Amino acid sequence: GESVGLHLPTLSVQEGDNSIINCAYSNSASDYFIWYKQESGKGPQFIIDIRSNMDKRQGQRVTVLLNKTVKHLSLQIAATQPGDSAVYFCAETAGVGGRRALTFGSGTRLQVQP
Amino acid sequence: EAGVTQSPTHLIKTRGQQATLRCSPISGHTSVYWYQQALGLGLQFLLWYDEGEERNRGNFPPRFSGRQFPNYSSELNVNALELEDSALYLCASSPGLGWETQYFGPGTRLLVL
Repeated sequence: GESVGLHLPTLSVQEGDNSIINCAYSNSASDYFIWYKQESGKGPQFIIDIRSNMDKRQGQRVTVLLNKTVKHLSLQIAATQPGDSAVYFCAETAGVGGRRALTFGSGTRLQVQP
Repeated sequence: EAGVTQSPTHLIKTRGQQATLRCSPISGHTSVYWYQQALGLGLQFLLWYDEGEERNRGNFPPRFSGRQFPNYSSELNVNALELEDSALYLCASSPGLGWETQYFGPGTRLLVL
């Protein structure tokens, strides 16, 4: 399987600031994208998703932006809180139907400074 | 509604032994996925079961296997354990056709000595 180094990219922000986490994907056929949050010792938690027929989707304090031209995905977190500190993964899938495996990005660690 | 559950939470084995990990999906979900997450690394896809059948497997040797039961729960078996099999094993479930979102359990931490 794909191998990633031990040192995750880290984004350090001040509490209350906005955070932007980026993800690049390689499969131009990918049509569904998900952001997951993983806290230490826990399984990934679903945050927000977006389909390829959209370029923006908003949730509570989070926004996902999709740029299919450059195969880039971003997660914006407004008014970042200490509880947002975690590793964030983007995931993508392609094909028809829902019973597919996800391909995960390498993850970004978000550290929120109080 | 209960989420995805996994057992045991921790498992310690020695090289050459076999490990069995269990997963119960969210009620009503028919697809179960297994992932390996080694320390400091991302999630690597292992296996996908749906309606009792293996639908796809990742780039792992045959000593990683599993099955899905009629109640949609699943088992992951790892034979001839190696030190590098030490990892967090995550199970996820999804509702079925058209629903790609996967919901993860807390994982089983496997340590091979």
